Amino acid sequence: AQSVTQLGSHVSVSEGALVLLRCNYSSSVPPYLFWYVQYPNQGLQLLLKYTTGATLVKGINGFEAEFKKSETSFHLTKPSAHMSDAAEYFCAVSDRRDYGGSQGNLIFGKGTKLSVKP
Amino acid sequence: GAGVSQSPSNKVTEKGKDVELRCDPISGHTALYWYRQSLGQGLEFLIYFQGNSAPDKSGLPSDRFSAERTGGSVSTLTIQRTQQEDSAVYLCASSLPEWTGAAYEQYFGPGTRLTVT
Repeated sequence: AQSVTQLGSHVSVSEGALVLLRCNYSSSVPPYLFWYVQYPNQGLQLLLKYTTGATLVKGINGFEAEFKKSETSFHLTKPSAHMSDAAEYFCAVSDRRDYGGSQGNLIFGKGTKLSVKP
Repeated sequence: GAGVSQSPSNKVTEKGKDVELRCDPISGHTALYWYRQSLGQGLEFLIYFQGNSAPDKSGLPSDRFSAERTGGSVSTLTIQRTQQEDSAVYLCASSLPEWTGAAYEQYFGPGTRLTVT
């Protein structure tokens, strides 16, 4: 069974500081991993994804994440926070139905709310 | 093109009433998912439709919840005899067919906020 753990329900950083949001997963098949962002009163927007290949993936708005199989982690980083990054971030793993398939519902972490101080 | 749309955006209903929530997926997307987002439970999977296959209902919390998808496109999530614990944001997502190699990427609608009084 797949599961996701996000460490820290709230993270606060200063504008210009490094953003680090932590995500650990468990998966019985090679995982497909995702980070989504949710702004207030809006739906979920995909930030980035890892399926296969390069373990360092780059997404929108300057975010990137590194898949580390040995640590079962997929932490999200951004070198310099901007006020507009304040939002809630969700890490997710795909509950793939079989090894060869790519579809399945997403299993989400509890989310991390990012605050950016001026 | 148009994204996933959901209606209504907000719904207030009295306990015990039935509600229907609608999702219109992106054209050409064969997979459709319903999720629920609540304060206590976070984001939970409810049900998954893939083409003409039988839906995966494994996430539905009770038999008061049901969903259908007509013509492989629009989906309706129905909650019968609503309870206060059903209050949540209901999110719909869709994705491309498996053969595209991009079926893992889900596109979310803005959600329907349901309040049961």
